[in-house]
Amino acid sequence: DAKTTQPNSMESNEEEPVHLPCNHSTISGTDYIHWYRQLPSQGPEYVIHGLTSNVNNRMASLAIAEDRKSSTLILHRATLRDAAVYYCILESWGAQKLVFGQGTRLTINP
Amino acid sequence: ETGVTQSPTHLIKTRGQQVTLRCSSQSGHNTVSWYQQALGQGPQFIFQYYREEENGRGNFPPRFSGLQFPNYSSELNVNALELDDSALYLCASSLRDSKETQYFGPGTRLLVL
Repeated sequence: DAKTTQPNSMESNEEEPVHLPCNHSTISGTDYIHWYRQLPSQGPEYVIHGLTSNVNNRMASLAIAEDRKSSTLILHRATLRDAAVYYCILESWGAQKLVFGQGTRLTINP
Repeated sequence: ETGVTQSPTHLIKTRGQQVTLRCSSQSGHNTVSWYQQALGQGPQFIFQYYREEENGRGNFPPRFSGLQFPNYSSELNVNALELDDSALYLCASSLRDSKETQYFGPGTRLLVL
């Protein structure tokens, strides 16, 4: 399973943008980059995913490096409800098996 | 659209007992995956069910078994419980061969004493 590396923790202020980095230098051509987050006492929640191009949805944006060896999840305007553990995961198309790492614990200050 | 539901929410068992956890998949989804999440760790893949058969398994012993029913709901069974089986058990549903990702339920928290 291809491995991802994320910082253990990050801190930001409410209403400011947050950039969560992820390194995945061993990514293969068929691996999709997924981001999930897990709020306290809840199951993981899908945030966004992409293959090669940058992606936007109502929750966040995903910026993928040209060589695909790293990506950044962008929360444009953080709120207190965005405090969670964020997981960056590589999934081979069709495998449908998510390999979670330790994730990044994001703290949002009021 | 109904989301993924799991029951029970919490459970306490003693070492050596057996437990069955249940999951109802999201409407329209035909694949169910189970994950174990120990305290402070990321979820670990146990196995996946598709068309009522196991379709991929993580590094878990045979005492972890499962079932998928014709309505795509699923059960996770754990025999001979050990203290280390204490964890949050998560179920995720998805539609095989689609571009959609997995959707998780809230989990069942199991405590083994």
